[in-house]
Amino acid sequence: ETGVTQTPRHLVMGMTNKKSLKCEQHLGHNAMYWYKQSAKKPLELMFVYSLEERVENNSVPSRFSPECPNSSHLFLHLHTLQPEDSALYLCASSQDWGAGTGELFFGEGSRLTVL
Amino acid sequence: DQQVKQNSPSLSVQEGRISILNCDYTNSMFDYFLWYKKYPAEGPTFLISISSIKDKNEDGRFTVFLNKSAKHLSLHIVPSQPGDSAVYFCAASGSGTYKYIFGTGTRLKVLA
Repeated sequence: ETGVTQTPRHLVMGMTNKKSLKCEQHLGHNAMYWYKQSAKKPLELMFVYSLEERVENNSVPSRFSPECPNSSHLFLHLHTLQPEDSALYLCASSQDWGAGTGELFFGEGSRLTVL
Repeated sequence: DQQVKQNSPSLSVQEGRISILNCDYTNSMFDYFLWYKKYPAEGPTFLISISSIKDKNEDGRFTVFLNKSAKHLSLHIVPSQPGDSAVYFCAASGSGTYKYIFGTGTRLKVLA
């Protein structure tokens, strides 16, 4: 099993659809993250969960709704998205959140296209 | 306002030569820095890190240098290999924020 796995790898959806991105980590980490990567922009942190509690929400529109049912799984629920939300969505995990976070381990990403 | 900047979007280097990737930051509270490498259709993978108590960290062909007074770090790859062709991101975090702030990346192409 690879460390952090994301599904689906590719997703095309209309603006009225509801879909979800899934992330699973097999590293025993306590913190999980959603990042957004748009063309020619830095990776943007969206959400952080530490021990299943959301600890960061970076002014993300409510059409993105995260869910962390346990420390190994993280979801990003998508509804009524806009074409400008098309991007690569990356999940990551780290041993802990806070001082001594250490390195992030990333999944391969979910490429989202909103028509 | 970008706190972490990679001003060179791309770099081409001949195989066997040195690759130098640069990163500048503006927040003096940053005290931990990382470099990631990303191949197409894959997630970023961690390469090397450095904390502000050091000015150099080495791991095999990869060396990161930190110049705190200039708020500048660089990644040196020696010798460069075609397999090093990828996008390289620097990231920073520090006291008061545990979030990693990423740069926009530099695409390195190593020519055989």
